[in-house]
Amino acid sequence: GAVVSQHPSWVICKSGTSVKIECRSLDFQATTMFWYRQFPKQSLMLMATSNEGSKATYEQGVEKDKFLINHASLTLSTLTVTSAHPEDSSFYICSALRGPWEKLFFGSGTQLSVL
Amino acid sequence: TQLLEQSPQFLSIQEGENLTVYCNSSSVFSSLQWYRQEPGEGPVLLVTVVTGGEVKKLKRLTFQFGDARKDSSLHITAAQPGDTGLYLCASPGGTSYGKLTFGQGTILTVHP
Repeated sequence: GAVVSQHPSWVICKSGTSVKIECRSLDFQATTMFWYRQFPKQSLMLMATSNEGSKATYEQGVEKDKFLINHASLTLSTLTVTSAHPEDSSFYICSALRGPWEKLFFGSGTQLSVL
Repeated sequence: TQLLEQSPQFLSIQEGENLTVYCNSSSVFSSLQWYRQEPGEGPVLLVTVVTGGEVKKLKRLTFQFGDARKDSSLHITAAQPGDTGLYLCASPGGTSYGKLTFGQGTILTVHP
């Protein structure tokens, strides 16, 4: 079946540094990917919709200059957390949409810890 | 954005017991999905319901979609420790099928 790979699975970084998270669709082309954020024991909150070849669409309250999204190819979207702070520590999950049947596949998530 | 009310938020039961999780909205769902998520993993799709009144079964899990497509339930029969996890309902919103709105989630713990 289709697989979405997310890398890294966990990352620890110092406050003030930037961290890049990759989301790849391994055996299909994904024109649209989605980035979610999840705090412990809470649900997933949509951060942004990533469209190949165009700017990402951010949900209300999500800082686009802090969470940079790039969808440069049909199989890769990246989320860069810039100038990370401890409050950015969270579980970040991507999903990819496979058309034309529009089936959705989730990555395995990235746990970010900012010290 | 459609709001999904999921209940209960926490459920702690003994092995062998039955349980039901509910997902409700004030507006009609175009479709509804149920996911299960384990710690440190992405959510895994269990089922998609589309038609009002629809009932789907997945082994010991029974999913119902309300006639008016405003509510759904997940019933687990004879729960096992392996059923432990976060259960989420979700519905597509906006212009993209993949843009999901999730319910608050139900943390289920099944004790041996």
